[in-house]
Amino acid sequence: EVQLLESGGNLVQPGGSLRLSCAASGFTFNNYAMSWVRQAPGKGLEWVSTISGSGGSTYYTDSVKGRISVSRDNSKNTLYLQMDSLRAEDTAVYYCAKSDRYMFYLEHWGQGTLVTVSS
Amino acid sequence: DIQMTQSPSSLSASVRDRVTITCRASQGIGNYLAWYQQTPGKVPKVLIYAASTLQSGVPSRFSGSGSGTDFTLTISSLQPEDVATYYCQKYNSAPLTFGGGTKVEIK
Repeated sequence: EVQLLESGGNLVQPGGSLRLSCAASGFTFNNYAMSWVRQAPGKGLEWVSTISGSGGSTYYTDSVKGRISVSRDNSKNTLYLQMDSLRAEDTAVYYCAKSDRYMFYLEHWGQGTLVTVSS
Repeated sequence: DIQMTQSPSSLSASVRDRVTITCRASQGIGNYLAWYQQTPGKVPKVLIYAASTLQSGVPSRFSGSGSGTDFTLTISSLQPEDVATYYCQKYNSAPLTFGGGTKVEIK
């Protein structure tokens, strides 16, 4: 059974940093692209970032480029999201999600972790 | 970047009604389109991928169609458990943009 468990969400001040983790199990982690999707309170889904199975390719939405970076440790079956220079508009539940083996649609989702950016 | 526009943003229908949600891409995306359902307080789950392929375990009252720029999600007979917000997403290339969502309620 695929399991994705996010952690690291917290209250942080504007300009601060946070690292989210997503521990994966139940599948061969390095065979699958992984993504982060966020949802601000009461709002819709927003794709944030995707990383290929090898980690060699990364993609970001424009609003986070230069502030947020995605990485993975395939030896630990863990996905990361390093978030710097955080802004109030980054406040959201952050979901990690596993893609299908051959396509980038999001087949499995974690339960999410809440990031609150506020002074 | 390609924009994804869903309509309507919300709808109210009776149980057993046929419900149709539309998603339009600002440029062609082939059939690289997925639909997700997010019930209140829950995690999103994929219903349909490749525009019309039903994800395993999803009830057959859900169906998808379209290619290029225009896509539809149809619920053939609305059930109370279908109360949710539905999102389309393009995945042909980054950015993997979501539509704004369609909130479905029971009348």
